[in-house]
Amino acid sequence: EVQLVESGGGLVQPGGSLRLSCAASGFTFRDYWMSWVRQAPGKGLEWVAYINQEGREKSSVDSGKGRFTISRDNAKNSLYLQMNSLRAEDTAVYYCTRAGTGASLDKWGQGTLVTVSS
Amino acid sequence: ETVLTQSPGTLSLSPGDRATLSCRASQSLSSSFLHWYQQKPGQAPRLLIYGSSSRATGIPDRFSGSGSGTDFTLTISRLEPEDFVVYYCQQYGGSSWTFGQGTKVEIK
Repeated sequence: EVQLVESGGGLVQPGGSLRLSCAASGFTFRDYWMSWVRQAPGKGLEWVAYINQEGREKSSVDSGKGRFTISRDNAKNSLYLQMNSLRAEDTAVYYCTRAGTGASLDKWGQGTLVTVSS
Repeated sequence: ETVLTQSPGTLSLSPGDRATLSCRASQSLSSSFLHWYQQKPGQAPRLLIYGSSSRATGIPDRFSGSGSGTDFTLTISRLEPEDFVVYYCQQYGGSSWTFGQGTKVEIK
């Protein structure tokens, strides 16, 4: 069974940093693109960042450029999101997702809540 | 960046009704990269339809997708009680993903 389990969320002050992790199991992690998607409280879905299989190609949403860094460790079947200079508007549930056919997000973790507040 | 606009924002229907949800793109896109998700309260979204018209694993056949170019549709042929939740369309292009703002299907 495919599983994606996020961790690392929590309460952080504006300007602070957090590193989210996603532990993947049940599939060959190194064969897939991976992405982070977030959802602010009561709002819709927003794609945050993507990384290709080898980790050489990455992209992120404009609001995250220069602040968010996506990375992966294929030996550990793990995906990461380093978030710096956090703002109140980054408050959201962050989901780890696997990209499948046509870049559909075919598997999702349960999410980890990040709250940016003083 | 391709913007996706979903309509209506809220759809009020009764169990057994047919639901038609629209997703319009700001520019033409390949149907291979247009997908639909369902999100129940307190849960992560799940993939319903990929490539505009293919059902994901385990999705009942009352869900169907169609469309091309800039206009795409998710149809639920007969609404079951568990279908009254939120639906999102999503597209991929140029190493970025965008989502529509969502359509909530509520009980009339």
